[in-house]
Amino acid sequence: AQSVTQLGSHVSVSEGALVLLRCNYSSSVPPYLFWYVQYPNQGLQLLLKYTTGATLVKGINGFEAEFKKSETSFHLTKPSAHMSDAAEYFCAVSGLGNNDMRFGAGTRLTVKP
Amino acid sequence: KAGVTQTPRYLIKTRGQQVTLSCSPISGHRSVSWYQQTPGQGLQFLFEYFSETQRNKGNFPGRFSGRQFSNSRSEMNVSTLELGDSALYLCASSFGSGGYEQYFGPGTRLTVT
Repeated sequence: AQSVTQLGSHVSVSEGALVLLRCNYSSSVPPYLFWYVQYPNQGLQLLLKYTTGATLVKGINGFEAEFKKSETSFHLTKPSAHMSDAAEYFCAVSGLGNNDMRFGAGTRLTVKP
Repeated sequence: KAGVTQTPRYLIKTRGQQVTLSCSPISGHRSVSWYQQTPGQGLQFLFEYFSETQRNKGNFPGRFSGRQFSNSRSEMNVSTLELGDSALYLCASSFGSGGYEQYFGPGTRLTVT
């Protein structure tokens, strides 16, 4: 069975500072990993995904994530936070052959001016 | 390309009633998945339909059911509503099943009184 754990339900950074949102996964098979963002009263928007190949994945809005098999991690980073990045971020994992996506509990990112 | 649409966006029902939610996927997408989002339980997978067949089902009671039509549009039904069914129900579509990006609709906010 696959699962993800997001470390930190709330993260607060200053505008222009590094954003680091942590995600660890558990999977008995090679996982597909995703990061989604949710703004208030909206659905989820895909930021990036890892399936196979390059372990450093670049996504939209300047976000990127690195798949580290040895650490079972898939942390999300952005070099410089913008006020518009304030939202809830979800890490998710799915396995081969299905779209049964398991989400983490989410991390709420606050960006201070 | 139009995104995933869900109708209705908001719904208020009484305990014991039943409800049907609708989802129209992105054109060309054959997989539709449903998720329930609540503050307490987070995002939970309900089921996935691919080419009119249910591929996977999450850990929900039989009161939750769904179907997919030949045009890939999907409906989910909840019978005998309980207060705990109050949630945001999200539909996601993808081209295929397994490792494909899932694109989410804005959700249907269901309130059970």
